[in-house]
Amino acid sequence: AQSVTQLGSHVSVSEGALVLLRCNYSSSVPPYLFWYVQYPNQGLQLLLKYTSAATLVKGINGFEAEFKKSETSFHLTKPSAHMSDAAEYFCAVRTSGAGSYQLTFGKGTKLSVIP
Amino acid sequence: EPEVTQTPSHQVTQMGQEVILRCVPISNHLYFYWYRQILGQKVEFLVSFYNNEISEKSEIFDDQFSVERPDGSNFTLKIRSTKLEDSAMYFCASSEAGSGPEKLFFGSGTQLSVL
Repeated sequence: AQSVTQLGSHVSVSEGALVLLRCNYSSSVPPYLFWYVQYPNQGLQLLLKYTSAATLVKGINGFEAEFKKSETSFHLTKPSAHMSDAAEYFCAVRTSGAGSYQLTFGKGTKLSVIP
Repeated sequence: EPEVTQTPSHQVTQMGQEVILRCVPISNHLYFYWYRQILGQKVEFLVSFYNNEISEKSEIFDDQFSVERPDGSNFTLKIRSTKLEDSAMYFCASSEAGSGPEKLFFGSGTQLSVL
């Protein structure tokens, strides 16, 4: 069964600093991986996805993630944090199998940006 | 931009009562989903719905749960007899035909509190 683990339930960075949110996955088949963001009082919004094409995936708002099979990781990064990046971030993996539309999420990492 | 709308944003109920959580998916979407997140835990898949029937459901989605598309616009989740452990944030999502969870649009959630 596929699963993801997010390291760190809460990450604080200074404005302008590097953002690094960690996600490790477990999958017996090549995974489809996703990062979602949830701003306060809003729904989950897709940031980026990995679907077995390029290993470095660029998303919205300057975020990117690199798929590293050897490390079973899909960490989310942004070179310079902005105050508006403060939100909760979820890593997710799609379960395999034809017709399967389930996503399995991590517990989420809350990002705080300090001015 | 089209969005998935959920009502109410917060619902409080007594244990043993029935609740109906309502969702209006994006109008041309054909796949519908419910997920939930218990406080401090992962976002969990509950059920997916297509062509007026359940296409997949998780172990959480037992006989106490049901889903319905009563008309052309609403998608509901009913919990027949709520338990304390049903307290969670419930997210509705929808996607277009032919796309999978990589193009899921989520609502902002209904916070269900069972007392």
